Amino acid sequence: GESVGLHLPTLSVQEGDNSIINCAYSNSASDYFIWYKQESGKGPQFIIDIRSNMDKRQGQRVTVLLNKTVKHLSLQIAATQPGDSAVYFCATVPGGSYIPTFGRGTSLIVHP
Amino acid sequence: DGGITQSPKYLFRKEGQNVTLSCEQNLNHDAMYWYRQDPGQGLRLIYYSQIVNDFQKGDIAEGYSVSREKKESFPLTVTSAQKNPTAFYLCASSFWGTNQPQHFGDGTRLSIL
Repeated sequence: GESVGLHLPTLSVQEGDNSIINCAYSNSASDYFIWYKQESGKGPQFIIDIRSNMDKRQGQRVTVLLNKTVKHLSLQIAATQPGDSAVYFCATVPGGSYIPTFGRGTSLIVHP
Repeated sequence: DGGITQSPKYLFRKEGQNVTLSCEQNLNHDAMYWYRQDPGQGLRLIYYSQIVNDFQKGDIAEGYSVSREKKESFPLTVTSAQKNPTAFYLCASSFWGTNQPQHFGDGTRLSIL
């Protein structure tokens, strides 16, 4: 079955540094990929998404990179701020399914 | 503002009791979903509904039931058959049939008395 994993359960960075959160997926049929941010006691919030016909997509301070060859997804956060401290989840959606599979999450801790 | 509202935020269940978690959305989304989140884990799908009066089991449906009588509402009942109900429950909604992100509520934390 589908498995979605994260390389690091916790990532600690200094304020102002760039952060990179990685995600590996196993289902080669996945064609839609989403990153969510979840703050303590709240529901996940959408950050950015990317479709399989793209390798890179940029948002405000965030960039998602997709490498379909090795089934790897990453989220880059530029100039990380204390307000970025949260758990970040990747989710993958197989073509025609519309039901995402979520990874376990990476906890990002930003030190002032 | 459009969004998803879950209530209550905290809920306690006694042994042998059924409890119902509420989820309402005003985003005009077709599909609604219930997930369970345990500490240090990702979200696991309990049930989802693509359209009113229809719903499908997810990966961990045993011990749970749902209904979808209105487009806006998708309540989840945690029955006494669910032996390990302590978790954070998240409701989500989206348009069905297109690849778009789900919108989530702020969850209900269920604990056993």
